[in-house]
Amino acid sequence: AQRVTQPEKLLSVFKGAPVELKCNYSYSGSPELFWYVQYSRQRLQLLLRHISRESIKGFTADLNKGETSFHLKKPFAQEEDSAMYYCALSEDNTDKLIFGTGTRLQVFP
Amino acid sequence: DGGITQSPKYLFRKEGQNVTLSCEQNLNHDAMYWYRQDPGQGLRLIYYSQIVNDFQKGDIAEGYSVSREKKESFPLTVTSAQKNPTAFYLCASTRLKGDEQFFGPGTRLTVL
Repeated sequence: AQRVTQPEKLLSVFKGAPVELKCNYSYSGSPELFWYVQYSRQRLQLLLRHISRESIKGFTADLNKGETSFHLKKPFAQEEDSAMYYCALSEDNTDKLIFGTGTRLQVFP
Repeated sequence: DGGITQSPKYLFRKEGQNVTLSCEQNLNHDAMYWYRQDPGQGLRLIYYSQIVNDFQKGDIAEGYSVSREKKESFPLTVTSAQKNPTAFYLCASTRLKGDEQFFGPGTRLTVL
């Protein structure tokens, strides 16, 4: 079965430290992967998707098919990055998204 | 802050009662979704609809029902058959297959 795993429930770092939020997936087809973010008192929103290969707010994520991973990285964390982050996978030929359980990132000053 | 609206923001229900959560979008999106968000479990898909008058069950459809009579609207009914209805419910929509999903602000349902 298709599955998205985010092993860390909580990740705490200090401002300026590097951040890596882990995401692993299991999927037999060709996956489309996303990172969604939910800031405090805001709606869940798209942060980035692997096919666009862009950097958003300093975050990047590379799809590694060999390791079936899509880790989210940022070299220098900022306090405003504190939020809940969800990795998600889109199944072939459907509109369905499978979400991981989420990782809460806390960035301390 | 338009796009997708959900109402009400908070909802209280007595055990044994059905309750309907509203979701409306003005984005002209074809596909709409209902998710349930519980602490430590992420988002789980309840139902989704790709076109008017058609919808499919998600992973946790038992105890829920939906309708899609209009493109803009996708109401979710939480029935008395749902064993653990207390949760945060999110509605989303998307324009194209595999495209970004846009989320509503959510409804927090509490069963008393």
